[in-house]
Amino acid sequence: GAGVSQSPSNKVTEKGKDVELRCDPISGHTALYWYRQSLGQGLEFLIYFQGNSAPDKSGLPSDRFSAERTGGSVSTLTIQRTQQEDSAVYLCASSLGFLNTEAFFGQGTRLTVV
Amino acid sequence: GESVGLHLPTLSVQEGDNSIINCAYSNSASDYFIWYKQESGKGPQFIIDIRSNMDKRQGQRVTVLLNKTVKHLSLQIAATQPGDSAVYFCAESNMDSSYKLIFGSGTRLLVRP
Repeated sequence: GAGVSQSPSNKVTEKGKDVELRCDPISGHTALYWYRQSLGQGLEFLIYFQGNSAPDKSGLPSDRFSAERTGGSVSTLTIQRTQQEDSAVYLCASSLGFLNTEAFFGQGTRLTVV
Repeated sequence: GESVGLHLPTLSVQEGDNSIINCAYSNSASDYFIWYKQESGKGPQFIIDIRSNMDKRQGQRVTVLLNKTVKHLSLQIAATQPGDSAVYFCAESNMDSSYKLIFGSGTRLLVRP
């Protein structure tokens, strides 16, 4: 596709269940980011993948959060044992990564934990 | 963590006036800066960027100013329109951090008719 694609666009889950959020970056983009955005607030960095380097996981809020990127392309963010405070919009972005260039964002996945 | 959620500061301007949105960045080694616009229900979108070898760059109705001495970035929007109402984020990156973009906390721009 032409842009960053995220799925699902909306997810409602029960507290305690696990969820997986998917991101398809722009083809050829080596860098991939996950951010979290609570209603009316800024972007909270979660994790950054750059090529084959070890990911920067410094923003993951707890060990219930993990992410992987298979084959340098698609990424999955997994939240285990979801809590109500995990409710937010999860945004994925990708960029060329090997030099300073803009990142392109997907539309996000709105996660609601009930 | 970086850019931990905070309630966003708000700038309210009259339609037709010029808007100035400010951003203080954190890393003196940063050499690339971007402004993003985020409309309600959408992901952030690129507006304009600037590299550290410049102190000003102009786009269509927008100008970005960079002051490396005080680590300050600003976005000027000329003749602000209702469609400019959104949240605006600045972001910085540099080669030493593997080009990871670090976002500021954002400013909400409200345009009064």
